[in-house]
Amino acid sequence: SAVISQKPSRDICQRGTSLTIQCQVDSQVTMMFWYRQQPGQSLTLIATANQGSEATYESGFVIDKFPISRPNLTFSTLTVSNMSPEDSSIYLCSVGQGPEAFFGQGTRLTVV
Amino acid sequence: EDQVTQSPEALRLQEGESSSLNCSYTVSGLRGLFWYRQDPGKGPEFLFTLYSAGEEKEKERLKATLTKKESFLHITAPKPEDSATYLCAVFQGGSEKLVFGKGTKLTVNP
Repeated sequence: SAVISQKPSRDICQRGTSLTIQCQVDSQVTMMFWYRQQPGQSLTLIATANQGSEATYESGFVIDKFPISRPNLTFSTLTVSNMSPEDSSIYLCSVGQGPEAFFGQGTRLTVV
Repeated sequence: EDQVTQSPEALRLQEGESSSLNCSYTVSGLRGLFWYRQDPGKGPEFLFTLYSAGEEKEKERLKATLTKKESFLHITAPKPEDSATYLCAVFQGGSEKLVFGKGTKLTVNP
């Protein structure tokens, strides 16, 4: 199993600003995943972050809007840039897949 | 396009009232169907993996079953602590990416 610490747990931000979400894992992992969970919607994969390489973004998500850092095998950050109210959502980091998937507790972002 | 549809969106039960949640899927080459539980303010927590039609898994009051087109999560004699959102997911065909349904929010009243 893996223990994932995600910070902040929630934040209220002004439109036009940026927020960086941190994700710390208690063990070394190759891939980390960032998801968005909008109200009433399914978890949607934003990007996959591999240490030492550029993150791979899913359709509809771009690096300028959601830059990701992966400086080592236990840590990653996701920045939500130039925020608008439509970015209000829960953002989750994850390691592993399927039965080996472990998630952080999520960051509840509200953009006003 | 790979899709996962869960129903109902929300379900209210009385304690002890058994019911089932549904997850229908369309994916090329199923390589696993996964059930997760998500409590408010927390990330999803893994419950079950099902790989082939006819397979069943049980854990306490929960039993997950799988057919070629859908999966059911049966809840027997639920308790208030079973209240949560239950998520279903499959691997996207040909990749290691998970495709999630929107979830079913279960509320069990005492």
